[in-house]
Amino acid sequence: RKEVEQDPGPFNVPEGATVAFNCTYSNSASQSFFWYRQDCRKEPKLLMSVYSSGNEDGRFTAQLNRASQYISLLIRDSKLSDSATYLCVVNTGNQFYFGTGTSLTVIP
Amino acid sequence: DGGITQSPKYLFRKEGQNVTLSCEQNLNHDAMYWYRQDPGQGLRLIYYSQIVNDFQKGDIAEGYSVSREKKESFPLTVTSAQKNPTAFYLCASSGERTGVPGELFFGEGSRLTVL
Repeated sequence: RKEVEQDPGPFNVPEGATVAFNCTYSNSASQSFFWYRQDCRKEPKLLMSVYSSGNEDGRFTAQLNRASQYISLLIRDSKLSDSATYLCVVNTGNQFYFGTGTSLTVIP
Repeated sequence: DGGITQSPKYLFRKEGQNVTLSCEQNLNHDAMYWYRQDPGQGLRLIYYSQIVNDFQKGDIAEGYSVSREKKESFPLTVTSAQKNPTAFYLCASSGERTGVPGELFFGEGSRLTVL
């Protein structure tokens, strides 16, 4: 079983839509959780850390459910510039584990 | 500006040659990592180091070697033993944040092509 599972998509949504990504992790001892954004042929960049209480940054909301071992990312009012691959990342012990990424294309 | 610097950004290598990718960070992070990414795929861990003069193999260490002689530096050598070295290589570092692991900071990556 993979440490982190993520729906690869692709998600194709119109501008202004709300889109949600989910990610599950297998190790209940995982300590830190993140969403990264990766543009084509570029390095991943931190979008948000994810906290148990949930956190919001503008149009982006991240949630962590430790009991069910899943993480979610909600993007409201999608912009063309949101088109990218979104990576779910979990830290367990000394290592980071990555989902395969979910591809999002926002269509005009 | 604090961050991670990888060089070179693009590299072409003939089969049978070793090549070393540089990774330097000025974030004062103890932990450093090397990942490989192939087109359309996720990141795979090659090697990681939690402290100077110590490092561990990741999931795909065969054909690669590293050193960690200084806290700031974690170079990766892609040897001729690596069967399919053409890939995008990413170096990253992380520190602690209030007692839990902090986020990963990535360099811009090195794109290696074997001719």
